[in-house]
Amino acid sequence: NAGVMQNPRHLVRRRGQEARLRCSPMKGHSHVYWYRQLPEEGLKFMVYLQKENIIDESGMPKERFSAEFPKEGPSILRIQQVVRGDSAAYFCASSPGGYMNTEAFFGQGTRLTVV
Amino acid sequence: GENVEQHPSTLSVQEGDSAVIKCTYSDSASNYFPWYKQELGKGPQLIIDIRSNVGEKKDQRIAVTLNKTAKHFSLHITETQPEDSAVYFCAAMGDNNDMRFGAGTRLTVKP
Repeated sequence: NAGVMQNPRHLVRRRGQEARLRCSPMKGHSHVYWYRQLPEEGLKFMVYLQKENIIDESGMPKERFSAEFPKEGPSILRIQQVVRGDSAAYFCASSPGGYMNTEAFFGQGTRLTVV
Repeated sequence: GENVEQHPSTLSVQEGDSAVIKCTYSDSASNYFPWYKQELGKGPQLIIDIRSNVGEKKDQRIAVTLNKTAKHFSLHITETQPEDSAVYFCAAMGDNNDMRFGAGTRLTVKP
């Protein structure tokens, strides 16, 4: 059973371009979380999704950022018109969900650099 | 929403000593408390967790305690080794499966 897979591991974008970050959860996991981490800082919650539903997007900027977790395929975090301040590591985690069955496992992250 | 606070932000101990990291949470409905270890350039790795129906859990050199009344939980590492050096994050999760993290503790174990 493969772990949480994120790709790409490293992504370089010029200002104004779009960044698409992909997260394939562990097999059997239907819950995905996205976090952003700046160097030397903690994990800042962005969005929590279940299959085809956004459950909590309170941590996501209202503009330029969007996330989806379709019925088939990976979860996608999309950043439009990137700016230098978007440079960070973006981690996703997945869990099976359900009451008392909530271990969440992280991917290795995507390091976005905006030049 | 849930708010998790973590202390200290940095911790330096001598090899062989114990290390304790403490977290508090705000939402009394939270019932699952995992701890993650993050090494440089890697994703956080789940190292131990505790649920609200348990007060303490131990796994070799690491242990977690939970005080539901006071809404705080702690990570204890005994006989620390240089390879324990990393950033440790606590988290809290409720029935809605929404997970929030503390700000992290950078642990340095000096040989």
